[in-house]
Amino acid sequence: TQLLEQSPQFLSIQEGENLTVYCNSSSVFSSLQWYRQEPGEGPVLLVTVVTGGEVKKLKRLTFQFGDARKDSSLHITAAQPGDTGLYLCAGAGNYGQNFVFGPGTRLSVLP
Amino acid sequence: GAGVSQSPRYKVTKRGQDVALRCDPISGHVSLYWYRQALGQGPEFLTYFNYEAQQDKSGLPNDRFSAERPEGSISTLTIQRTEQRDSAMYRCASSLGGVLNTEAFFGQGTRLTVV
Repeated sequence: TQLLEQSPQFLSIQEGENLTVYCNSSSVFSSLQWYRQEPGEGPVLLVTVVTGGEVKKLKRLTFQFGDARKDSSLHITAAQPGDTGLYLCAGAGNYGQNFVFGPGTRLSVLP
Repeated sequence: GAGVSQSPRYKVTKRGQDVALRCDPISGHVSLYWYRQALGQGPEFLTYFNYEAQQDKSGLPNDRFSAERPEGSISTLTIQRTEQRDSAMYRCASSLGGVLNTEAFFGQGTRLTVV
């Protein structure tokens, strides 16, 4: 079974601060996704990373996939209250395999 | 439909009753997944299908839980003899699958409460 760990579990910061959350596994994934989930809603995809060492930017969010494709990080610059939510990483195997989710990091950005 | 549809949205049942939760995936999506999610936690894998074939059911908690997808489209998750500990949000997701297996689209979920 492929397992994903996320850290920190909870994070509360002030508006304007920067933060990084981490996703780690002992398994290699063919791709890794980051999702954000708001209360009462299902997770929504933010980004997919596929290549080891890949860096993707989405406005103030920067995602990095580890060289060995076992870990990833999400960095948010100048956090805003709208960034508040549960951030989930999910790994996918090769052809047609399951998405395995991490436990999530609950981010709260205070105005 | 345009998105993944789950029904019912809410289900309250008495302990010992059977329940059936339905998932209608995005048209053309090969893969369908069932997850259970506790409040504030990540989705916990239950089972998944490629077309009508159940590929992995290792996440089903016990033999009271079963799932089917007989025609490779709509899926049903059945819980027999429900217990209070089964109360949770049950989420279904679908994806294109295959080499395009890069995003899972989630439904709104079914909130199950066993009383």
